[in-house]
Amino acid sequence: EVKLVESGGGLVQPGGSLRLSCEVSGFNFDYFVMAWVRQGPGKGLEWVASIKKDGSQRFYVDSVKGRFTVSRDNSKNSLYLQINSLRAEDTAVYYCARVLAPTWLDSWGQGAQVTVSS
Amino acid sequence: DIQLTQSPSSVSASVGDRVTITCRTSQGVTSWLAWYQQKPESAPKLLIYDASTLQSGVPSRFSGSGSGTNFTLTITNLQPEDSATYYCQQGSSFPVTFGQGTRLDIK
Repeated sequence: EVKLVESGGGLVQPGGSLRLSCEVSGFNFDYFVMAWVRQGPGKGLEWVASIKKDGSQRFYVDSVKGRFTVSRDNSKNSLYLQINSLRAEDTAVYYCARVLAPTWLDSWGQGAQVTVSS
Repeated sequence: DIQLTQSPSSVSASVGDRVTITCRTSQGVTSWLAWYQQKPESAPKLLIYDASTLQSGVPSRFSGSGSGTNFTLTITNLQPEDSATYYCQQGSSFPVTFGQGTRLDIK
């Protein structure tokens, strides 16, 4: 069974940092591009970042460039999202997802809530 | 960035009905379009990709069509469990973008 489990979410003050993790099981992690997608409260979906199978290429949406860093450890079947300089508008549920080429998200985690507030 | 506009924003229908949701893209995406279903407090679920390919395990009452800039998701023989929000997504170019969502209520 394909499983993706996020952790590391929480309440953080503006300007703070968080590191989200996504541990996967049930498939060959190093065969797949992986992505982070977020959903603000009552809002739609936003593709935040993605990373190639070997970590050689990363993509970020403009609104997070320079603040977010996506990484992976294939030996640990884990995906990460380092989030710095947090803003109120970063408040969202963050999902990790497996990418079925080219960009279809065929398996998702349950989501990690990130709340930015003073 | 490619903008995706879904219509209607919300729709209400009865069990057994047929519903069509449209997605229009601001630029042509050939067939690089997918549809997702999201129920409250749950992650989205991939229904259709490449505009018309049904994801494994998805009931055949779901179908997709279109190419270029105009796409449709059709649900026939509506079931109570189809109550959800539906999103389209383009995969033609980065950044990958989603439509704003269509909420489907079952009367």
